[in-house]
Amino acid sequence: GAVVSQHPSWVICKSGTSVKIECRSLDFQATTMFWYRQFPKQSLMLMATSNEGSKATYEQGVEKDKFLINHASLTLSTLTVTSAHPEDSSFYICSAIPLTSSYEQYFGPGTRLTVT
Amino acid sequence: RKEVEQDPGPFNVPEGATVAFNCTYSNSASQSFFWYRQDCRKEPKLLMSVYSSGNEDGRFTAQLNRASQYISLLIRDSKLSDSATYLCAVNRRSQAGTALIFGKGTTLSVSS
Repeated sequence: GAVVSQHPSWVICKSGTSVKIECRSLDFQATTMFWYRQFPKQSLMLMATSNEGSKATYEQGVEKDKFLINHASLTLSTLTVTSAHPEDSSFYICSAIPLTSSYEQYFGPGTRLTVT
Repeated sequence: RKEVEQDPGPFNVPEGATVAFNCTYSNSASQSFFWYRQDCRKEPKLLMSVYSSGNEDGRFTAQLNRASQYISLLIRDSKLSDSATYLCAVNRRSQAGTALIFGKGTTLSVSS
């Protein structure tokens, strides 16, 4: 149980285009989901906290107009990288906390984005 | 000061060696602490939670020192399969939710 999926697993796009990444909790409901970004040889950096039905809370330094987060249901959150640039190339990972848990997080397999 | 800081590594050890990783955190109000393992190009996997009393799982022992705001992970009898990056994580509560804040990670390479 407690499986989180992400789609796509990898994507290559041209500079200036937008990319949407989906994060789904497959066998549980999650009020809260998180989005992280990881550059090569760096740690997972928290980008934003996403709560179902409300606006996401972004970490300092993360542009909310560039990284659009939508959490319309208890099993789906999406991250859209708008007007992507090569510096946005990274590994994007989501995680989710089940309704039945107060802190245990389950991670998706990640999405590798390359902007050319 | 960063919220979570770790030994930079990398650690290169032979099979059978004992290796220890350290991590410090800045928020004294933090309540939950974890060690994660991350393999190349994969998501992090929970290795173990860390409790004040210390906890052990086979060859792995985790310790927490709240007074020094310090957590550690000890791996005994290292195996080739232990080669990975080890991330410590600390929870951070906010109105939005309880997020995990990760250290930079320490890379372990076990050789035969």
